[in-house]
Amino acid sequence: SQTIHQWPATLVQPVGSPLSLECTVEGTSNPNLYWYRQAAGRGLQLLFYSVGIGQISSEVPQNLSASRPQDRQFILSSKKLLLSDSGFYLCAWSPGSDAGGYTFGSGTRLTVV
Amino acid sequence: GEDVEQSLFLSVREGDSSVINCTYTDSSSTYLYWYKQEPGAGLQLLTYIFSNMDMKQDQRLTVLLNKKDKHLSLRIADTQTGDSAIYFCAVVHFGSARQLTFGSGTQLTVLP
Repeated sequence: SQTIHQWPATLVQPVGSPLSLECTVEGTSNPNLYWYRQAAGRGLQLLFYSVGIGQISSEVPQNLSASRPQDRQFILSSKKLLLSDSGFYLCAWSPGSDAGGYTFGSGTRLTVV
Repeated sequence: GEDVEQSLFLSVREGDSSVINCTYTDSSSTYLYWYKQEPGAGLQLLTYIFSNMDMKQDQRLTVLLNKKDKHLSLRIADTQTGDSAIYFCAVVHFGSARQLTFGSGTQLTVLP
């Protein structure tokens, strides 16, 4: 069966520090991968998605970047965090062709202080 | 682009039925999903419906789709306190990567 792992679960970082959040998927190959951010107001914003190794599409220009160094690994990064980067970050995957829904990781709560 | 809207809050008594509503704008939406999010957790897929269906039932959950009005609803029968959570409607139409567009979520509170 497929599983998705996301870590760390919580993170407190000072303004200006770097960020690296990692997401890995098991039990499938060539998944579509996604990074979402959920701000305090609840809405989910798509940040990046990837349909293959090295292929990254950015939905919202901002202080973050994403990389996909391996088929089942998706990394969200920042060189210098801003206060506005605080939020709940969710990784998700979906099969390339099936309709069976997106599976989300358990999320990372990032607080920038 | 796609716009998905939900009411923000719903309160029901334990044992009653809950109905959470969602409207969307893109008539070419092909798959429509309901997710549940408990506090501090990720999103859990509850159910989904294809756009060529009008209704889908799965135990206590019933999804109704009115394509003409672009209206989706989730009915939870015999609502329990464990159903208290935020419920997200999401839609996708096949594009470059099947991106999901989410509603803002409905906070369901189940009162004893």
